[in-house]
Amino acid sequence: AQSVTQPDIHITVSEGASLELRCNYSYGATPYLFWYVQSPGQGLQLLLKYFSGDTLVQGIKGFEAEFKRSQSSFNLRKPSVHWSDAAEYFCAVSPVYGNKLVFGAGTILRVKS
Amino acid sequence: EAGVAQSPRYKIIEKRQSVAFWCNPISGHATLYWYQQILGQGPKLLIQFQNNGVVDDSQLPKDRFSAERLKGVDSTLKIQPAKLEDSAVYLCASSPPVVGGETQYFGPGTRLLVL
Repeated sequence: AQSVTQPDIHITVSEGASLELRCNYSYGATPYLFWYVQSPGQGLQLLLKYFSGDTLVQGIKGFEAEFKRSQSSFNLRKPSVHWSDAAEYFCAVSPVYGNKLVFGAGTILRVKS
Repeated sequence: EAGVAQSPRYKIIEKRQSVAFWCNPISGHATLYWYQQILGQGPKLLIQFQNNGVVDDSQLPKDRFSAERLKGVDSTLKIQPAKLEDSAVYLCASSPPVVGGETQYFGPGTRLLVL
């Protein structure tokens, strides 16, 4: 069965500092990979997704993620965090065929000034 | 372009009562999803429709949950009777017809509290 692990429940970073959120997945083949962000009271918004090709994917709001097949990882990064980035971040996978998203438990990002 | 609409936004009921949620997807999106998000967890797919046919309902507790998508547009999710453990946010999402990896667009969710 597919599973997604986000090892960090909470992360606190200072405004302007760099950020890396970890994501590991378990799946028989390379799935499609996604990062979503959820602000309080809001629905989920797609930050970026990986299908194939270049393993470094650029997304919205200055985020990027790197797919590492050997580590089954898809970590999200941002070079300089803004206070508005405080939210909960979810990593998700879906099979190549079909579109069922399997989500990790999420990482809550706090930004301190 | 209008996003995915859901109502109500909040609902409080007592256990054993029934409740229904409504979702209107993005215009033209053939695929509609209902997810359950329990506090502290990621969303879990309950049911997926392609037009008005069910694609996947393997994780839907069919003894108490039901969903329909008449005419292949909007959808309702019903819980009858509700249990305490049904307290969660119910998210609706939609996407273009599925080949694989289509972006799902999420509504704001309905927050349900069962007392």
